[in-house]
Amino acid sequence: KAGVTQTPRYLIKTRGQQVTLSCSPISGHRSVSWYQQTPGQGLQFLFEYFSETQRNKGNFPGRFSGRQFSNSRSEMNVSTLELGDSALYLCASSSHNPGAGETQYFGPGTRLLVL
Amino acid sequence: DQQVKQNSPSLSVQEGRISILNCDYTNSMFDYFLWYKKYPAEGPTFLISISSIKDKNEDGRFTVFLNKSAKHLSLHIVPSQPGDSAVYFCAASKLAGNQFYFGTGTSLTVIP
Repeated sequence: KAGVTQTPRYLIKTRGQQVTLSCSPISGHRSVSWYQQTPGQGLQFLFEYFSETQRNKGNFPGRFSGRQFSNSRSEMNVSTLELGDSALYLCASSSHNPGAGETQYFGPGTRLLVL
Repeated sequence: DQQVKQNSPSLSVQEGRISILNCDYTNSMFDYFLWYKKYPAEGPTFLISISSIKDKNEDGRFTVFLNKSAKHLSLHIVPSQPGDSAVYFCAASKLAGNQFYFGTGTSLTVIP
């Protein structure tokens, strides 16, 4: 079974621009979560989608948004980029419920650099 | 509000010895715990999990211990190998939830 894929792997943007990242979950997985990883901060939860609905949202500003399509693929968007948005953005998928006795499997991440 | 904490940012261990990575949590509702290993420029890889009905789970060289009363879990790696050098994250969730809470990670270096 193919793992979680994320595109692009690397991205350079300038302040004020917007960016869209894409994630394809493991086949059959319907839950997709997004995390931001910055040095010293661990993995900060952004949001989780299941069957095209956002079920859970972390403590990030409204500039961060996402969506999920009927094939479970997900995108996240960051508008009006700031220097502090430079990070590794990770997508993870699970069958139905991350936690709840299910494991999340991660993609390789998208490294975003904001100049 | 960091509900899962890994208080040791780094750990160095000699090859062949035991590595012990620690994790503390504050939310008594957490009942499912995982450990992930992460190499630079890669996503975290699932290592081992434990649910709150157990206090120990083993998988080869990896053993996770859970002390619910102390809200503490630990990952033991025996024997440690240079390829184990990576950042290790612990994560916790509620069985009724749909979110994992991650610690800040411990960077393990295994010295040959």
